[in-house]
Amino acid sequence: AQKITQTQPGMFVQEKEAVTLDCTYDTSDPSYGLFWYKQPSSGEMIFLIYQGSYDQQNATEGRYSLNFQKARKSANLVISASQLGDSAMYFCAMRENTGRRALTFGSGTRLQVQP
Amino acid sequence: DAGVTQSPTHLIKTRGQHVTLRCSPISGHKSVSWYQQVLGQGPQFIFQYYEKEERGRGNFPDRFSARQFPNYSSELNVNALLLGDSALYLCASRFLPGTGGETQYFGPGTRLLVL
Repeated sequence: AQKITQTQPGMFVQEKEAVTLDCTYDTSDPSYGLFWYKQPSSGEMIFLIYQGSYDQQNATEGRYSLNFQKARKSANLVISASQLGDSAMYFCAMRENTGRRALTFGSGTRLQVQP
Repeated sequence: DAGVTQSPTHLIKTRGQHVTLRCSPISGHKSVSWYQQVLGQGPQFIFQYYEKEERGRGNFPDRFSARQFPNYSSELNVNALLLGDSALYLCASRFLPGTGGETQYFGPGTRLLVL
């Protein structure tokens, strides 16, 4: 069975600083995808970034980058130059590329950006 | 283009009642998945549908059922509601199920409260 662990229930960061949100995963499937989603208080899950298990380079999308360390089974999200609008819940998720191909989510990290 | 839409946005029911939630995927997307998010937790997979067929099911009781229509929209039905069914129900769509790095895009969700 696959599992996602996010050990930081809450994080604070000063505006314009960088922050790293931790995510570790466990799976026996050699092929999988890792995702990060942002969930503001409105409830909608907003896709941020994707990393495939066979991708050689770390994924980047604007201010978001994914620090993928396959041997350590970690997929940390780095947000550079934090903005007040980045305050939200952040979820790490994994999809195995066999079977149900459903997303398995972690418990989330609440990020608060302080001015 | 419109994103994933869900209706209603909020719903209040009493124990034992039945509820139907609706989802319209992004235009051109053929696969729809449903997730339940209880307060304070990450979303949990309920169902995936593609081309009107169930392609995956999570660990939910038979009180939960769903279907997909020829226009790829979907309904989630929950019978004999329990207090524990109170949650945010999220619908996600993607073009095809389970292909490589394909991303699931989520709707705003339906907040269900069971009294």
